[in-house]
Amino acid sequence: ILNVEQSPQSLHVQEGDSTNFTCSFPSSNFYALHWYRWETAKSPEALFVMTLNGDEKKKGRISATLNTKEGYSYLYIKGSQPEDSATYLCASSPGTYKYIFGTGTRLKVLA
Amino acid sequence: DAMVIQNPRYQVTQFGKPVTLSCSQTLNHNVMYWYQQKSSQAPKLLFHYYDKDFNNEADTPDNFQSRRPNTSFCFLDIRSPGLGDAAMYLCATSRSGGEGEKLLFGSGTQLSVL
Repeated sequence: ILNVEQSPQSLHVQEGDSTNFTCSFPSSNFYALHWYRWETAKSPEALFVMTLNGDEKKKGRISATLNTKEGYSYLYIKGSQPEDSATYLCASSPGTYKYIFGTGTRLKVLA
Repeated sequence: DAMVIQNPRYQVTQFGKPVTLSCSQTLNHNVMYWYQQKSSQAPKLLFHYYDKDFNNEADTPDNFQSRRPNTSFCFLDIRSPGLGDAAMYLCATSRSGGEGEKLLFGSGTQLSVL
């Protein structure tokens, strides 16, 4: 994998459903993996920064895991709420000042 | 609250007419970045400053320039905008640019070129 790839591109879920997205990144020259949430008309907001293989981070109903050997990260949202509707961006950082972003996953949570 | 502020939120310019986008930060961060995001594409780094040191990405067109007169402010100048330059422009900062540092973003400027 040469680029950072995210899937799915978009999805709609019902309120209360749990969901997850995938971020795939080059496993060579890896230093850190970032997740950002970007709500419409707002600034992208950092959710997690992970560096170690096997890292798991949690913030409320949102959690993320990291596998640096195979080059992927999962973001999980438990019990989705309408306020979780946003674009979720991941970025791989292969070095200082370098952040390679994916195209994002657009999540819409239906009430 | 400390934050990254971008002005304006929406900018409309004419083909070939120079335009400047601005970004300010109250975080006293050393590094400021400019990203371009076209519809359905990944944000793409144009350049960054570490303090006053300017670093251009190899594939950033010459049409794009930047200025950082002091720690707080950074400007993106597009000398002769083309239709292909219509995009969301995001400014971001980080304390020192380390891989594990999160980026703090402004809310972006949506540029339209007529």
